[in-house]
Amino acid sequence: SQQGEEDPQALSIQEGENATMNCSYKTSINNLQWYRQNSGRGLVHLILIRSNEREKHSGRLRVTLDTSKKSSSLLITASRAADTASYFCATALMNRDDKIIFGKGTRLHILP
Amino acid sequence: EAGVAQSPRYKIIEKRQSVAFWCNPISGHATLYWYQQILGQGPKLLIQFQNNGVVDDSQLPKDRFSAERLKGVDSTLKIQPAKLEDSAVYLCASSSDRGISYEQYFGPGTRLTVT
Repeated sequence: SQQGEEDPQALSIQEGENATMNCSYKTSINNLQWYRQNSGRGLVHLILIRSNEREKHSGRLRVTLDTSKKSSSLLITASRAADTASYFCATALMNRDDKIIFGKGTRLHILP
Repeated sequence: EAGVAQSPRYKIIEKRQSVAFWCNPISGHATLYWYQQILGQGPKLLIQFQNNGVVDDSQLPKDRFSAERLKGVDSTLKIQPAKLEDSAVYLCASSSDRGISYEQYFGPGTRLTVT
């Protein structure tokens, strides 16, 4: 069963611009995680935000979480060619914090 | 720290044949996951082990898929017999402690093509 759904499905931006991806989910969560997948490095964990947090930063990444709207956003600032990848949100449910459910992902393409 | 190892990286088989995948998690990681990722979709959990016990296999097609984690370290995932719809990337992941450290570390995956 799919819990999270990313929007947009695909995004192309110029290098140097900011990229924003959104994730909506259906049921209450313990935490929400963002992962990146590209052919070079496989699937890699980027950042985790807990249900009692509203915003987290990691380098050029900024994640927000709005539990009232059951949504999260991932902002990548000053994009680089190396950011070209698929980005997935994954949610951990309240009663199963060790299990995450992935969405279908957003395919991000950074144009030179 | 060595990452999650998987083999083989690629496998092509005909339908109705059998195939097995191997995973070696990060040393000391108690929890091991197998995911199936179909092209264009996110990974779907097939089975989760805590040490050598199964925690969750609710989405494992048990009529054809089986998995084991002997001695709580390496794991194998088997498909017998394979169907065309089993064509996917099979990802293995591990995490250090259930309920405490949530980050999962993924291996490079095995790309299976069933013809």
